[in-house]
Amino acid sequence: KAGVTQTPRYLIKTRGQQVTLSCSPISGHRSVSWYQQTPGQGLQFLFEYFSETQRNKGNFPGRFSGRQFSNSRSEMNVSTLELGDSALYLCASSLAAVSDYGYTFGSGTRLTVV
Amino acid sequence: TQLLEQSPQFLSIQEGENLTVYCNSSSVFSSLQWYRQEPGEGPVLLVTVVTGGEVKKLKRLTFQFGDARKDSSLHITAAQPGDTGLYLCAGGSQGGKLIFGQGTELSVKP
Repeated sequence: KAGVTQTPRYLIKTRGQQVTLSCSPISGHRSVSWYQQTPGQGLQFLFEYFSETQRNKGNFPGRFSGRQFSNSRSEMNVSTLELGDSALYLCASSLAAVSDYGYTFGSGTRLTVV
Repeated sequence: TQLLEQSPQFLSIQEGENLTVYCNSSSVFSSLQWYRQEPGEGPVLLVTVVTGGEVKKLKRLTFQFGDARKDSSLHITAAQPGDTGLYLCAGGSQGGKLIFGQGTELSVKP
């Protein structure tokens, strides 16, 4: 079965621009989470959606937002990009409503802000 | 704030050696998960442990969850070059949130 698909794989943006990243979870998975991975901070939780509702949000500024559609696909948006937003953005999906059963991650979107 | 401290950060060993990676916290987690990540890819789930004191074995890998559900360890027996990668522990929290450790970069030389 198809895994978690993230598009695009690579993105280069200029400071001040905005960007939208897309994630298609495994079919049937209703929980979708987003993480930011950087060499200095590791993997940091951005937000999690379950059945179109944001259940939890990490400690990121309001420039980071997301949403989930009725087909469980999710998008995250970053406005007014800063150099420090350069990172690997990972999406993960799970069948369960709780985090304890583990997640399947996509390959990520590598965002570079110049 | 829940934090997970993972050690060591870097590990370089010869093929055939054994190793242990530790994950510690002052917080209680509902589960402890271990992932392995290769360059340019997302993390891949290795195992989830949910019961205090639980031990799970996956071929040469042994995972343990502490009795108090605050710590975990990953032990690899007779490491092989194919075990090379970034190993991440993650604690299950409410609302579908995972708290990740900083990771252990493992290099196994032939």
